Amino acid sequence: DVKVTQSSRYLVKRTGEKVFLECVQDMDHENMFWYRQDPGLGLRLIYFSYDVKMKEKGDIPEGYSVSREKKERFSLILESASTNQTSMYLCATDGGSDTQYFGPGTRLTVL
Amino acid sequence: GENVEQHPSTLSVQEGDSAVIKCTYSDSASNYFPWYKQELGKGPQLIIDIRSNVGEKKDQRIAVTLNKTAKHFSLHITETQPEDSAVYFCAASRGTNAGKSTFGDGTTLTVKP
Repeated sequence: DVKVTQSSRYLVKRTGEKVFLECVQDMDHENMFWYRQDPGLGLRLIYFSYDVKMKEKGDIPEGYSVSREKKERFSLILESASTNQTSMYLCATDGGSDTQYFGPGTRLTVL
Repeated sequence: GENVEQHPSTLSVQEGDSAVIKCTYSDSASNYFPWYKQELGKGPQLIIDIRSNVGEKKDQRIAVTLNKTAKHFSLHITETQPEDSAVYFCAASRGTNAGKSTFGDGTTLTVKP
């Protein structure tokens, strides 16, 4: 079974802090994704990566950056957290079959 | 880009009844249509998918139908059970290796015992 883990289930940060959300997968998948999930808005794609050191902007990249130094790890970075970035963040992977495997999510609160 | 609309946003049924969730999409090049189920406190999980060369696919109590001409696809759950209560998402993608999918806004299904 594919396993996608995220570093924290719950996180509370202050406005202006730099925030790192980590995602690790154990299935050697090329593609990795970061989404945010907000009530009534579904899943919105922030960034994705189809290879090490490669990244592509999704639909809502503003205020975020990503890092993929190793194939199994994809990090989402909030350079200066703001209250409108309070959300559920979901990491997903895809090994080329189009099916996405999601982690359990990180609920981030920015105060 | 692709736009996916999902209806209804909430759905409440009695145990044993059927539930139907519908999605429409805009990009005629989309050819992969998965459905994900998200239980409380968990990430979404694939429950069934369909590709554009197939009109219908069934897996026990769940089925998906696709109408490419009308650009819509539906999830059907028969003989619903309380454990079917969850948020369901549809998605559409071009099925390339980049795997970029567009998701619907989700349907919260409640099955009353």
